[in-house]
Amino acid sequence: QQQVKQSPQSLIVQKGGISIINCAYENTAFDYFPWYQQFPGKGPALLIAIRPDVSEKKEGRFTISFNKSAKQFSLHIMDSQPGDSATYFCAASMQRGAQKLVFGQGTRLTINP
Amino acid sequence: NAGVMQNPRHLVRRRGQEARLRCSPMKGHSHVYWYRQLPEEGLKFMVYLQKENIIDESGMPKERFSAEFPKEGPSILRIQQVVRGDSAAYFCASSGPLAESSYEQYFGPGTRLTVT
Repeated sequence: QQQVKQSPQSLIVQKGGISIINCAYENTAFDYFPWYQQFPGKGPALLIAIRPDVSEKKEGRFTISFNKSAKQFSLHIMDSQPGDSATYFCAASMQRGAQKLVFGQGTRLTINP
Repeated sequence: NAGVMQNPRHLVRRRGQEARLRCSPMKGHSHVYWYRQLPEEGLKFMVYLQKENIIDESGMPKERFSAEFPKEGPSILRIQQVVRGDSAAYFCASSGPLAESSYEQYFGPGTRLTVT
């Protein structure tokens, strides 16, 4: 019940296209859902996060869509660029993020020029 | 503001030695979390600490691993008698006070531990 399942494991998108990564969770007590971007040899960087009281959040080219009834959330990267090539992790936590993050398995995104 | 700092960035230990990993949280942050990342895998929670207190250690192996966050100085993750299976990247994250906008966890660059 603590798991967060992420798909796909890897994704190749053409430059300018839309990258979509999906996550699903079971624990309805989760109330904070961040996405992290990680480049090789670096630490994860917080990209964008959402709370279950909204269905969508947009920051620049990055959008989180959240479906509370389906217990699913997704990251959309619009106008994908080669510099977006990285590994993306979804995560979830309880009590407004003050507790441990449970991470998905990660998606390795490659943007072809 | 300086970000989360971790040192060393790379650490090589022989089997049976001790490894000490240090983490200095972001300025103003009083919550520290340690995560472990095995090659080609996601991050797994290990322990959550506040100053002088362990809040949640549900992800820590029962033996050889310990963590502390003293009143003064960095948080330390200690691994005694390391084995090859301990080889991984260890990340520290910090967050601010439990206020509305301070729940984000910010990660350091990690310590890559190699056990030979």
